[in-house]
Amino acid sequence: EIVLRQSPATLSLSPGERATLSCRASQSVTSYLAWYQQKPGQAPRLLIFDASNRATGIPARFSGSGSGTDFTLTINSLEPEDFAVYYCQQRSNWPLTFGGGTKVEIK
Amino acid sequence: EVQLVESGGGLVKPGGSLRLSCAASGFTFSTFSMNWVRQAPGKGLEWVSSISSSSSYKYYADSVMGRFTISRDNAQNSMYLQMNSVRAEDTAVYYCARSHSTVIPDLDYWGQGVLVTVSS
Repeated sequence: EIVLRQSPATLSLSPGERATLSCRASQSVTSYLAWYQQKPGQAPRLLIFDASNRATGIPARFSGSGSGTDFTLTINSLEPEDFAVYYCQQRSNWPLTFGGGTKVEIK
Repeated sequence: EVQLVESGGGLVKPGGSLRLSCAASGFTFSTFSMNWVRQAPGKGLEWVSSISSSSSYKYYADSVMGRFTISRDNAQNSMYLQMNSVRAEDTAVYYCARSHSTVIPDLDYWGQGVLVTVSS
């Protein structure tokens, strides 16, 4: 099973700042990595697929990068609605696995 | 508009059974593989099971293998999760989700989730 480790666990930032979230895989997942956003009481929403492709309707301030074992989700100029929990997920091997999440909170 | 609506959750005793349903609309259900993902209270996301578009392939997490069964009815645009021999650790919100990519998926549309509570 591929283990995904996300860091930091919590990121405290102010609106307008840049958020940089990390996801590290226990073995290479090539570019088969997705990012999701989840707000309290809501289902997750797909943000980025295959490491760097924005899903339909996702604003350009969200970007993904990386390959192999190290990946980054960047949110440029945080908007109030961006404060949420973010998860990475690999689709390189069964079973699908998710990272433990990074909470982006208002400082 | 793509919609996924789960139902069938509730309170079940340890060792009991429950059947979850996911009703899909707004897309050609029969051409997409589908998935169940769960989230224990206050915890992260855990993939549970996936089924291919024609039901030819089914995959399960080790934690539910042999106890849960995924199925679908393309004529009814519905997917199911039969949960048997449930345990306290199966307590979670269960989401159905559509596969975005082929083979091993990422998940582009999710239902609102249904709560399953396993307790005596």
